Amino acid sequence: GENVEQHPSTLSVQEGDSAVIKCTYSDSASNYFPWYKQELGKRPQLIIDIRSNVGEKKDQRIAVTLNKTAKHFSLHITETQPEDSAVYFCAATSGADGLTFGKGTHLIIQP
Amino acid sequence: DVKVTQSSRYLVKRTGEKVFLECVQDMDHENMFWYRQDPGLGLRLIYFSYDVKMKEKGDIPEGYSVSREKKERFSLILESASTNQTSMYLCASRPGYGELFFGEGSRLTVL
Repeated sequence: GENVEQHPSTLSVQEGDSAVIKCTYSDSASNYFPWYKQELGKRPQLIIDIRSNVGEKKDQRIAVTLNKTAKHFSLHITETQPEDSAVYFCAATSGADGLTFGKGTHLIIQP
Repeated sequence: DVKVTQSSRYLVKRTGEKVFLECVQDMDHENMFWYRQDPGLGLRLIYFSYDVKMKEKGDIPEGYSVSREKKERFSLILESASTNQTSMYLCASRPGYGELFFGEGSRLTVL
C-alpha cells in the first residue's frame, strides 16, 4: 500500500516569512495529492490539492508543487499570518480509496 | 455545504463494552471512511465503504467492524472496547475521486 512521509513534524516561522512542508510517497500509481489544515479542536479541511498531470498549483498565498519522478510534493505558504498556525497534513491516493495521510506538521507562526 | 455529522462528540466507556459511533452525510456521496487520529501518528484509515452493504479494510481494522445499511449512514463498531482504542475518531465522505469531507470527530475514552 501507499506510504506517505511528511517533514518537518514542527515548523516555527516568523510572521511574514515563508513556510515549506515536504512530503514523499511510495506508490507510483498515486495521482491525487491534497493538503489539509486542522486548527485546534476542529476538523481537517482541504486547503489545496493537485493531480498528477500538473506540476504546480497556486491559490493566493498557498502553492503546491509536485515532482512525480522523485515522488515528492510540497506545500508553500508565503507571507505567513497568525491564522496560518495549525497542523497541516499531506495525503496521497491512486483512486477512490481512502487517502493515506502523512503524520502532520505543526506550524507555529511567531509574532 | 456538505455536512458530515457524527452523533457523539465525547464518549467515555469501560473496557469490554460495545461501542457504536454513528456518522451521517447529507450529500449523497458514494464513499465513506472511518479514520483514527492520534498525536504524532496522523490520520490512519480503519475501514471504508464504496456502497451500501460494502466494506473494505483500511490500514488498522483490527478490533473494529463497520456497518453501512443506508447510503448516508456509516457506523463504526468496537465489539469489546480496550484502553488502546482511546482516540479521536473521524468520519469522512467523498464523492468518488473528489475532496474528502470530515465530520467534527468523536473523542472516545476507554477506562
